[in-house]
Amino acid sequence: GAGVSQSPSNKVTEKGKDVELRCDPISGHTALYWYRQSLGQGLEFLIYFQGNSAPDKSGLPSDRFSAERTGGSVSTLTIQRTQQEDSAVYLCASRPASAQETQYFGPGTRLLVL
Amino acid sequence: DQQVKQNSPSLSVQEGRISILNCDYTNSMFDYFLWYKKYPAEGPTFLISISSIKDKNEDGRFTVFLNKSAKHLSLHIVPSQPGDSAVYFCAASATGNNRKLIWGLGTSLAVNP
Repeated sequence: GAGVSQSPSNKVTEKGKDVELRCDPISGHTALYWYRQSLGQGLEFLIYFQGNSAPDKSGLPSDRFSAERTGGSVSTLTIQRTQQEDSAVYLCASRPASAQETQYFGPGTRLLVL
Repeated sequence: DQQVKQNSPSLSVQEGRISILNCDYTNSMFDYFLWYKKYPAEGPTFLISISSIKDKNEDGRFTVFLNKSAKHLSLHIVPSQPGDSAVYFCAASATGNNRKLIWGLGTSLAVNP
């Protein structure tokens, strides 16, 4: 079946602009995560959605970052007033309820803020 | 502080030999450990995992060993193949922490023909 998909695959923007990144999880997966990998850094957790529960936003680096998940499926990560340090690969992952531990990743969105 | 550490940034192995990738962790609350493989310009691909109630899990050429007392795990690939060349990430999660993954910085494996 189809895996996790993300769009756009690449995004170049100017400092100060807003960007919106999209994630389509695997159908039926209950949980959705956003991570990012900055140059030379490991992956870091950003936000977690599970069903209708309040999201875990503990990894969001600033209030310029927000995310939502509509209808328990598609998620969008929005970065307002982008800064150069926001340049990174943004990865989305989902997991099924039957496998509480294993997350399956999309290809990522490569964001470059000039 | 780095809760999951992969101290070898790179490893080079001959085709057919064993590759051993190591990972150390500091948080005793971690109870599930995963290895992901990543090619350039792609997302991480799940490879193998192990629960803290086990000390070994095997899947084909891949075996993960867990030493809880030492807070150490390792991934063995036998025999190594050129297609295994990629960056390998160790990740850990804890019950009650929404299973968010805490990642090492990765080890770049090169399998030479």
